[in-house]
Amino acid sequence: DTEVTQTPKHLVMGMTNKKSLKCEQHMGHRAMYWYKQKAKKPPELMFVYSYEKLSINESVPSRFSPECPNSSLLNLHLHALQPEDSALYLCASSPRGVPGNSYEQYFGPGTRLTVT
Amino acid sequence: QKEVEQDPGPLSVPEGAIVSLNCTYSNSAFQYFMWYRQYSRKGPELLMYTYSSGNKEDGRFTAQVDKSSKYISLFIRDSQPSDSATYLCAMNEYSSASKIIFGSGTRLSIRP
Repeated sequence: DTEVTQTPKHLVMGMTNKKSLKCEQHMGHRAMYWYKQKAKKPPELMFVYSYEKLSINESVPSRFSPECPNSSLLNLHLHALQPEDSALYLCASSPRGVPGNSYEQYFGPGTRLTVT
Repeated sequence: QKEVEQDPGPLSVPEGAIVSLNCTYSNSAFQYFMWYRQYSRKGPELLMYTYSSGNKEDGRFTAQVDKSSKYISLFIRDSQPSDSATYLCAMNEYSSASKIIFGSGTRLSIRP
């Protein structure tokens, strides 16, 4: 299995809702990432987990809460989002954890999130 | 000044042409240089990566890095309509581990 899967593909939520995004990889990769991508912009790093521990939080608002229950699974819990949070949320994984080098990142197809 | 600069395009070329995509950067500490391809409404796909200066070839794709000029290129030979996508350059410092810096992406269209 050489892919990163993400569910759901699309999500529409209101500003008072709580929802979760899910990401899975079965490649034995040691690091997993959440990115946010707006239209016609590059991905922006949000969080990095290495060996199931949070190693980087790019000053992301607390309405986004990541969780790594095991080495294959990564969740992003969403609560009280704003319309400007609407974007494509991408999960990625890389073979090496931190410290190390993660230039080799494999991305999932993303969840397209719309906040109304 | 952005750390990584990339012309957003769009770039439109006829099928079979040689395509040249480029990025410049300002951080001399960058050691790894990557090219990702992103089709519309999909996640980025790692095409190639290069460590430090030099060339790397993979099929129709060639990546070049010139660290003295802080300039990287991706060449696509015998371009196909299926190559139509956004191409993102990316790079990172060895010491920064997980964080890679993306260019803004170049939208490429190959006309049949």
